[in-house]
Amino acid sequence: QQPVQSPQAVILREGEDAVINCSSSKALYSVHWYRQKHGEAPVFLMILLKGGEQKGHDKISASFNEKKQQSSLYLTASQLSYSGTYFCGTESADSWGKLQFGAGTQVVVTP
Amino acid sequence: IAGITQAPTSQILAAGRRMTLRCTQDMRHNAMYWYRQDLGLGLRLIHYSNTAGTTGKGEVPDGYSVSRANTDDFPLTLASAVPSQTSVYFCASSVSGTVGYNEQFFGPGTRLTVL
Repeated sequence: QQPVQSPQAVILREGEDAVINCSSSKALYSVHWYRQKHGEAPVFLMILLKGGEQKGHDKISASFNEKKQQSSLYLTASQLSYSGTYFCGTESADSWGKLQFGAGTQVVVTP
Repeated sequence: IAGITQAPTSQILAAGRRMTLRCTQDMRHNAMYWYRQDLGLGLRLIHYSNTAGTTGKGEVPDGYSVSRANTDDFPLTLASAVPSQTSVYFCASSVSGTVGYNEQFFGPGTRLTVL
């Protein structure tokens, strides 16, 4: 069963913040985050490990709540370049060594 | 230029035909993956290979086969294409199959339409 992402879509004005959540019903070992622009390949943002720290990439950061089996991606002071679809990929006990991806969250940043 | 190449870029195929999607990487990565991407479903793993000579099944392997004769190449074959295999196919690679420590690099994708 794939992880559930929320929201499905969000529209932001430049400079605003947003949070994207990724939840699983399974115990997770790791969570990957990727961004995909229209017509392009997904591009890696960051990996979070069970027991690991919050990570950051420019003004995009993420956290991993082991108790809730949930990861959150934080877009801070959004820029036009942040537009795209964000996917989380999760590794769990029954998919060790493989990622299951969520359906994606479409982010549109407007001027 | 280091990276992953996929061929063809797009293809229209008659149902029942055999088709091989090609994937080549020059990063000397041990692990390679094939995903399909369908609207509203995200990326789903078809097959993977953690090292040359070994392959494994992902979430949606039925109707597809793969081989890994060497480190660089990981072709995906549809033995007898069906319309439900219409999708965008992405090949990816990573340094190793230890997913928690290795990002995946994606190729540009192949858009396949089966009529």
